[in-house]
Amino acid sequence: NAGVTQTPKFRVLKTGQSMTLLCAQDMNHEYMYWYRQDPGMGLRLIHYSVGEGTTAKGEVPDGYNVSRLKKQNFLLGLESAAPSQTSVYFCASSFERYNEQFFGPGTRLTVL
Amino acid sequence: AQRVTQPEKLLSVFKGAPVELKCNYSYSGSPELFWYVQYSRQRLQLLLRHISRESIKGFTADLNKGETSFHLKKPFAQEEDSAMYYCALWGAQKLVFGQGTRLTINP
Repeated sequence: NAGVTQTPKFRVLKTGQSMTLLCAQDMNHEYMYWYRQDPGMGLRLIHYSVGEGTTAKGEVPDGYNVSRLKKQNFLLGLESAAPSQTSVYFCASSFERYNEQFFGPGTRLTVL
Repeated sequence: AQRVTQPEKLLSVFKGAPVELKCNYSYSGSPELFWYVQYSRQRLQLLLRHISRESIKGFTADLNKGETSFHLKKPFAQEEDSAMYYCALWGAQKLVFGQGTRLTINP
């Protein structure tokens, strides 16, 4: 099993450009999450999904959109990237709400 | 609102010394608390959760509801314990992380 995978690993964008980060899991988990990790701030939840076709806002959703069209995939979109979105993005999944979350390797995004 | 505070950004101890990573939380309900760890060049992974009350890699953590704390402890630190440690709280539909503590074990 690959677990949780993220594509791409690195990306550099210019302000105003758009992109989509892909998260895939092969563990048949219902719950999926997108976090951003910034120095001194820990991990903050951007959006999450409790099942195929559902999405919900987390702590810092502004500037991001998500979709969960298939159970195994959770996409994070930036419509118009800003330098404040420079961060490391982590995807995670879990079987149920209080279960252990399994994390992907992260995507390092730089917005110039 | 739920909140997790890890007061130490950096913690450095010598090999063989005891180590304690502090975690305080605020939450009006019954908390589900976790410690996650990220070793160098590895993924973030679960270290332990309070509900299972187990010791993982020699680490233990006790939930103190009176002091709203969930400190992580190990009696004898090893060099391989050097990592970033995050305390996290499940509440109100999401997992909230503390700011993290970078633990360095000196030889």
